[in-house]
Amino acid sequence: AQSVTQLGSHVSVSEGALVLLRCNYSSSVPPYLFWYVQYPNQGLQLLLKYTSAATLVKGINGFEAEFKKSETSFHLTKPSAHMSDAAEYFCAVSTPGGSQGNLIFGKGTKLSVKP
Amino acid sequence: EADIYQTPRYLVIGTGKKITLECSQTMGHDKMYWYQQDPGMELHLIHYSYGVNSTEKGDLSSESTVSRIRTEHFPLTLESARPSHTSQYLCASSESGTRSTDTQYFGPGTRLTVL
Repeated sequence: AQSVTQLGSHVSVSEGALVLLRCNYSSSVPPYLFWYVQYPNQGLQLLLKYTSAATLVKGINGFEAEFKKSETSFHLTKPSAHMSDAAEYFCAVSTPGGSQGNLIFGKGTKLSVKP
Repeated sequence: EADIYQTPRYLVIGTGKKITLECSQTMGHDKMYWYQQDPGMELHLIHYSYGVNSTEKGDLSSESTVSRIRTEHFPLTLESARPSHTSQYLCASSESGTRSTDTQYFGPGTRLTVL
């Protein structure tokens, strides 16, 4: 069975500091991995996704994530945090076959950015 | 910006009432989803549809029902609301019913409170 674990329900960084949000997955087959962002009172928006091409994936708003099979990880990073990055971030996994396109989500990490 | 809409955005009702949460998308997407989201928890898939006249139950058991009579419309109904149904409900759609790499586009959500 697939699962996603996001380490840290809350992360706080200073404006201009590195953002690192952790995601580990469990899957019996090579997974597809997604990061979504949710701003207050809004739905989720795709930041980036890994679909078995390049292991380093660049997304919107300066975010990127690296797929590391040996560590079963897909951590999200941004070199310099901006106040507008304050939101909740969700990691998700899907696998080929089975319930095609259905996602398994992590519990989310709320990012706070201090001025 | 994804063209997927949910109404109402907020709903407060009494126990025992019948309610329908509306979801519409104008992207012509085949697959649509309903998720339940509670604070600090994963998004849980409660229903999905591959297309017209197709509905499937998701990973989380739900007393709600759904219908898909038109491609663009995927309403969720609770016949008799209870306080345990209090939650945020998110609707989403994706282009294909069969590709695990597809992006899901989310509506803004309906926050339901049952007194």
